[in-house]
Amino acid sequence: EVQLVESGGGLVKPGGSLRLSCAASGFTFSNAWMSWVRQAPGKGLEWVGRIKSKTDGGTTDYAAPVKGRFTISRDDSKNTLYLQMNTLKTEDTAVYYCTTAQTTVTTRGDFWYFDLWGRGTLVTVSS
Amino acid sequence: DIQMTQSPSTLSASVGDRVTITCRASQSISSWLAWYQQKPGKAPKLLIYKASSLESGVPSRFSGSGSGTEFTLTISSLQPDDFATYYCQSRETFGQGTKVEIK
Repeated sequence: EVQLVESGGGLVKPGGSLRLSCAASGFTFSNAWMSWVRQAPGKGLEWVGRIKSKTDGGTTDYAAPVKGRFTISRDDSKNTLYLQMNTLKTEDTAVYYCTTAQTTVTTRGDFWYFDLWGRGTLVTVSS
Repeated sequence: DIQMTQSPSTLSASVGDRVTITCRASQSISSWLAWYQQKPGKAPKLLIYKASSLESGVPSRFSGSGSGTEFTLTISSLQPDDFATYYCQSRETFGQGTKVEIK
């Protein structure tokens, strides 16, 4: 079965750290460009960042609110995606979704959409 | 960054109605637009990609159109399972969402 399963969410104090994991199965994970998308309670969807496949360079990009605090990585031997979150703020409270990002590289830049989603894991940042 | 503006924010409709949701991009994105459906407590689900391509398994009552900066998602005959929130997306940006409610 093709699926993504997130884990690692929980309650953390402001300034703390947390690492989320996303286990992939049913497809060739090493070829996939992956993203994290989050959703604060009662709010809309917000892209967090992405990582390319290693064959395409393995580079990462981040949204401005998390740049310098969050790090996305992958372990293709374990079919697992990670999101390391440091210096957490109350505004980082959200459900975090792991997604596959179908990407087309054009002369005007990359364009992508998210075709496979995990169920999400809740991160609560509160004192 | 591209800005995406959806309208309306909320839409009240009845089963069987034809429903249209609009998404406007702040700059031309050609046909690089996707639409998602999200139900409470669930992950979003891809409906449409590249503006008008129907994702596998999605009912044919859903359709997408548009290019450049103006796009629409149409549900030809609203079904009880379609009451949800819908989002458009291009690159790193999502629209703010349109909630389709029962009239």
